[in-house]
Amino acid sequence: EAEVAQSPRYKITEKSQAVAFWCDPISGHATLYWYRQILGQGPELLVQFQDESVVDDSQLPKDRFSAERLKGVDSTLKIQPAELGDSAMYLCASSPMRGVTDTQYFGPGTRLTVL
Amino acid sequence: GENVEQHPSTLSVQEGDSAVIKCTYSDSASNYFPWYKQELGKGPQLIIDIRSNVGEKKDQRIAVTLNKTAKHFSLHITETQPEDSAVYFCAAPGGGADGLTFGKGTHLIIQP
Repeated sequence: EAEVAQSPRYKITEKSQAVAFWCDPISGHATLYWYRQILGQGPELLVQFQDESVVDDSQLPKDRFSAERLKGVDSTLKIQPAELGDSAMYLCASSPMRGVTDTQYFGPGTRLTVL
Repeated sequence: GENVEQHPSTLSVQEGDSAVIKCTYSDSASNYFPWYKQELGKGPQLIIDIRSNVGEKKDQRIAVTLNKTAKHFSLHITETQPEDSAVYFCAAPGGGADGLTFGKGTHLIIQP
């Protein structure tokens, strides 16, 4: 069964450092999402891609966060500089087509701890 | 935007009993309501979803009911088993263009 891949699974960094997370969606999935999940809460959308284009980044803190999906396949989410409040699970999800009723398949996430 | 509230935050049931988790949403235009199960250290996994053109959907021991008039939907798990222990999230459209807005989750504990 095809799965969304993410790396690294765990990342510990000091505040003010740069961090990057990688996501490889299920093959053929056109839509890719990055969510952030703070401990004890549900995931919150950060950014949505349709192929290589950003569809929605209204909740992405653009002063420190950036995301790209250059060839419309895998994606990278970067934080620079990291702050203590960025400690969370960063989840990537993909779906075959665009549309909120299209099932979103989540990866295992990257657990970020900022010291 | 959409607001999703989920109750209870923790639910403990005896193995074999039924469990019910309830969610309410605010946007009457919402038309898709998935439920995800998240085990420790893993990403959320879709277990069942329902679209607004039906009132109930079942898949073996799991069922979801939807009341559009009252703007609430519920997850029902019957004959609970130890492997049902996890955190369950409801969601609705409204987290962005096609993103989801999630509830805060219910920690389901199955007591042996």
